[in-house]
Amino acid sequence: TQLLEQSPQFLSIQEGENLTVYCNSSSVFSSLQWYRQEPGEGPVLLVTVVTGGEVKKLKRLTFQFGDARKDSSLHITAAQPGDTGLYLCAGVLNTDKLIFGTGTRLQVFP
Amino acid sequence: KAGVTQTPRYLIKTRGQQVTLSCSPISGHRSVSWYQQTPGQGLQFLFEYFSETQRNKGNFPGRFSGRQFSNSRSEMNVSTLELGDSALYLCASSSRGSNTGELFFGEGSRLTVL
Repeated sequence: TQLLEQSPQFLSIQEGENLTVYCNSSSVFSSLQWYRQEPGEGPVLLVTVVTGGEVKKLKRLTFQFGDARKDSSLHITAAQPGDTGLYLCAGVLNTDKLIFGTGTRLQVFP
Repeated sequence: KAGVTQTPRYLIKTRGQQVTLSCSPISGHRSVSWYQQTPGQGLQFLFEYFSETQRNKGNFPGRFSGRQFSNSRSEMNVSTLELGDSALYLCASSSRGSNTGELFFGEGSRLTVL
């Protein structure tokens, strides 16, 4: 069974702090997606990274795909209460199968 | 354009009953996937349909089944409900030929089994 482990599992911080969420696996992915899910809603795609070492920025969010395409990170600068939610990474295997990570639940307090 | 629509949003059933959930994908999307989300297990893949054919299936018992209609709308059914089936069931559609492109999720159907 392919596993995609995310850490930390829970994160509770104050507004203005920086944070990093990690997504790790022993499998190689052809691409990796990050989703955010807010309470009562379904996950929404934030970004897709495809190339090893790729870095993508979305306002205060920075996504990086590992050189070996086995891991990824999401860094949030100056977190805001609106960033609160469940962050999910999802990796696409070469078998064209998509697997979701275990999730990181972020709470940002004003 | 309208997003993915799931019905019902909430439902309560008792053990042994069966339930049918419905999903209408974004217009033009032919791939529909179903996921079960629980606090302990996270997001687990149930199955994926494309053009009325099941293309992939997750590791769930045969009590979980689904189908897709010619208009791409999909239903999933769970028979002989167990307490452990309580979960948020999410449907996602994609414009690509498989579920590995961007997924557009509905708000989910929250099932409680008593």
